[in-house]
Amino acid sequence: EVQLVESGGGLVQPGGALRLSCAASGFTFSSYRMNWVRQAPGKGLEWVASIKEDGSEKYYVDSVKGRFTISRDNAKNSLYLQMNSLGAEDTAVYYCARGDLLDWGQGTLVTVSS
Amino acid sequence: DIQMTQSPSAMSASVGDRVTITCRASQGINNYLAWFQQKPGKVPKRLIYGSSSLQSGVPSRFSGSGSGTEFTLTISSLQPEDFATYYCLQHNSYPRTFGQGTKVEIK
Repeated sequence: EVQLVESGGGLVQPGGALRLSCAASGFTFSSYRMNWVRQAPGKGLEWVASIKEDGSEKYYVDSVKGRFTISRDNAKNSLYLQMNSLGAEDTAVYYCARGDLLDWGQGTLVTVSS
Repeated sequence: DIQMTQSPSAMSASVGDRVTITCRASQGINNYLAWFQQKPGKVPKRLIYGSSSLQSGVPSRFSGSGSGTEFTLTISSLQPEDFATYYCLQHNSYPRTFGQGTKVEIK
């Protein structure tokens, strides 16, 4: 059974940083592109970033370019999202998702507030 | 970037109704179009991929169609468990983009 478990969310002050993690199991992690998708409270879904199977290519939505970094450790079956210079607009539930978004984790809430 | 325009943004329907939701892409996406269902407080669930392929385990009352820039999700006979918000997603190119969502409510 595919499992994706996010962690690392929480309350952070504007301008602060946070690192999200996603622990994957139940599939060959190194064979899948991985993604982060977020959803602000009461809003729609927004794709944030993707990383190729071997980590050689990374893609971001414009609003996070230069602030967020997606990475992965295939030896640890883990996906990461380093988030810097956080603003209120980054407040959301962050999901990790496998491949073409077939499987999703339960999400971790990031709240940016003073 | 490819813009996905989804309509309607909300609708009221009754159990048994046929429901159609449309997504229009700002340029061709080679049928790399997926549909998701999200219930309140729950994780999104993929229903359709490749514009018209039904995800395993999804009831056959759900279907997808379309090509080029115009795509449709149809629920042939709405069931109580189908009241939810539906999103389209293009995964033809980066950045991936979702439609704004369609909330299907009980009439």
